[in-house]
Amino acid sequence: ETGVTQSPTHLIKTRGQQVTLRCSSQSGHNTVSWYQQALGQGPQFIFQYYREEENGRGNFPPRFSGLQFPNYSSELNVNALELDDSALYLCASSFGGPRTDTQYFGPGTRLTVL
Amino acid sequence: QQQVKQSPQSLIVQKGGISIINCAYENTAFDYFPWYQQFPGKGPALLIAIRPDVSEKKEGRFTISFNKSAKQFSLHIMDSQPGDSATYFCAASTQGGSEKLVFGKGTKLTVNP
Repeated sequence: ETGVTQSPTHLIKTRGQQVTLRCSSQSGHNTVSWYQQALGQGPQFIFQYYREEENGRGNFPPRFSGLQFPNYSSELNVNALELDDSALYLCASSFGGPRTDTQYFGPGTRLTVL
Repeated sequence: QQQVKQSPQSLIVQKGGISIINCAYENTAFDYFPWYQQFPGKGPALLIAIRPDVSEKKEGRFTISFNKSAKQFSLHIMDSQPGDSATYFCAASTQGGSEKLVFGKGTKLTVNP
């Protein structure tokens, strides 16, 4: 186990709703990244937070937003859910700043949008 | 626009055989190339990674071969075991480390006993 936990495990929402996903980083890790993994695809980078500041963003619209808290846990918020938002959402934490070799992924939250 | 192309999509190997998965990239600014292993219901886990200053890196039964001029890299799994059955992803980054990774689409490896 990596020590990175995510909640909830599964979630079902309807189109237009809002959702908040949570990630608890491995102890001491100050960087967290969020990825979206559609079924049968590789993960896609959403954004990264380093010491509570956004530090880079992938090709995702503004309705995807995030937060990192002083204890380095993190939230991913998605507004105005669309059917295509159905995916596994992964968070990954790392220590020592963004250029580290190793980041640890959590097990993910499976989001289904109906 | 797929920046990292991975093949094959699926691979079946007999126990003890060699599994080979290939990736090609276009962005010459990529400077870090990891491979991840993902089991069902789990997040990806780093297997092995390489930077462009070396052409090969070996860790146990896993080897990355890197061809900078061809913009290709591959994962070789020697003496493949049923426990290696998983989905493997290649990835690349322009950040010198594991941030802001661009992943391939994955290869589902099945190792038959």
